[in-house]
Amino acid sequence: KAGVTQTPRYLIKTRGQQVTLSCSPISGHRSVSWYQQTPGQGLQFLFEYFSETQRNKGNFPGRFSGRQFSNSRSEMNVSTLELGDSALYLCASSLKTGMAGNTIYFGEGSWLTVV
Amino acid sequence: DQQVKQNSPSLSVQEGRISILNCDYTNSMFDYFLWYKKYPAEGPTFLISISSIKDKNEDGRFTVFLNKSAKHLSLHIVPSQPGDSAVYFCAASASNYGQNFVFGPGTRLSVLP
Repeated sequence: KAGVTQTPRYLIKTRGQQVTLSCSPISGHRSVSWYQQTPGQGLQFLFEYFSETQRNKGNFPGRFSGRQFSNSRSEMNVSTLELGDSALYLCASSLKTGMAGNTIYFGEGSWLTVV
Repeated sequence: DQQVKQNSPSLSVQEGRISILNCDYTNSMFDYFLWYKKYPAEGPTFLISISSIKDKNEDGRFTVFLNKSAKHLSLHIVPSQPGDSAVYFCAASASNYGQNFVFGPGTRLSVLP
C-alpha cells in the first residue's frame, strides 16, 4: 500500500514568487493536513482538509492556502514568498477527522528554499 | 506558549539498554497522544499512540506510558538499537480539534554501539 506522496521533494524559489506543493494521501484516506517544520519552530500545523473542505487552520498568514480535490489529493500554495518560508513542508493523511484515536501518517516532505 | 514540551533536547543511551523519552503537556483537553520518529531528510514515522482512557500501550520494543494527573507521558524503548538513533517527537490532539496535532520540539536519541 503506497504511503503519502509529496511532490516536488526539493525546490528553490525567489522572494516574491509563489509555490504550489502537491500531496497524494494514502489510498482510502480522506483527511489531509499540512505542517511546516523549521529548526526554530519545530512542527507547526498549517491546515487540514476533509472532503474538499478546510476543517482546521493554524496560525499562519493568508499567504498560505490550500485545497483538496475530489480524489482527496491536496495542494498547498504559498504566495509572495519570504525568506522565512524556507522549511520542510509535510503532508499527512488519515482515514477520518475530528475523532479521538485518529492517527496521521506523514509523507517525506517538500524542502522549500527561498533565496 | 508551548502546549507540548520535551525538555530533553538530546539523550544518549548504550545499545541494549533502555531509552526513556519524556513529554509533558499543559492542555487538559488533549485526549490522544502519539510518538513519531524522524530521520534527517525524511518525514516523521508513526511509532505508537495512546488514548487518554489508557495508561499504557505496548508495541514490540516500544511502550508508552500516560500519567494524566501529571500531564506526562513517556516512551520506553527496550532494548535500544543503533537504528533507533533519530529525533523523537511527541504529539497531542483533542477530539474536537480535528487533525490539529500539537508537536513537541523533539528529543534527539543517540544509541551508542
